[in-house]
Amino acid sequence: GAGVSQSPRYKVAKRGQDVALRCDPISGHVSLFWYQQALGQGPEFLTYFQNEAQLDKSGLPSDRFFAERPEGSVSTLKIQRTQQEDSAVYLCASSSLTGVPGELFFGEGSRLTVL
Amino acid sequence: GIQVEQSPPDLILQEGANSTLRCNFSDSVNNLQWFHQNPWGQLINLFYIPSGTKQNGRLSATTVATERYSLLYISSSQTTDSGVYFCAVYYGSSNTGKLIFGQGTTLQVKP
Repeated sequence: GAGVSQSPRYKVAKRGQDVALRCDPISGHVSLFWYQQALGQGPEFLTYFQNEAQLDKSGLPSDRFFAERPEGSVSTLKIQRTQQEDSAVYLCASSSLTGVPGELFFGEGSRLTVL
Repeated sequence: GIQVEQSPPDLILQEGANSTLRCNFSDSVNNLQWFHQNPWGQLINLFYIPSGTKQNGRLSATTVATERYSLLYISSSQTTDSGVYFCAVYYGSSNTGKLIFGQGTTLQVKP
């Protein structure tokens, strides 16, 4: 596609529910990233995929967070048993380069509110 | 880890004024990007600038990697320039491509 597409744009969940956030990167981009942005803060790195391989998941805040990219294109970020502190905007980004820092292009984000 | 500091944290301008936003980083970095986050939350790429100077319309950026800073210049500001400006650096292993963001500069341009 022309840009990085994320869905849903807005999600309200009750505490304890599971949520799944989808990212469709720019066509042909092999690198995919998830970031978390709390209100009033800069985005923080969660995880990185090169094709289908998850090369870095050091930013995932707990084992309730899980990301996958099984076919090397679309990615899903899953949060199990959501907590109020999970409320944030979840941003997906993609890049055409691997092995060297490439220019990242971000989607519009998925805003998660946990009640 | 690396520290990325942006200044000023907040800036209010009258339409037509010029401004300079600064980004300092505490260690050598592989690369640097400037973003504008619009009121709808979208992060828009402004510059991908490891070193040197780039210009795009009323915006320009300069990175001096050896001195660990980057500057973003906005000339003849417009109300549509309002939003948050982020500097982000690549740091560490190239296999992660991890961007470290500053806290941002919130710009408000008044008509």
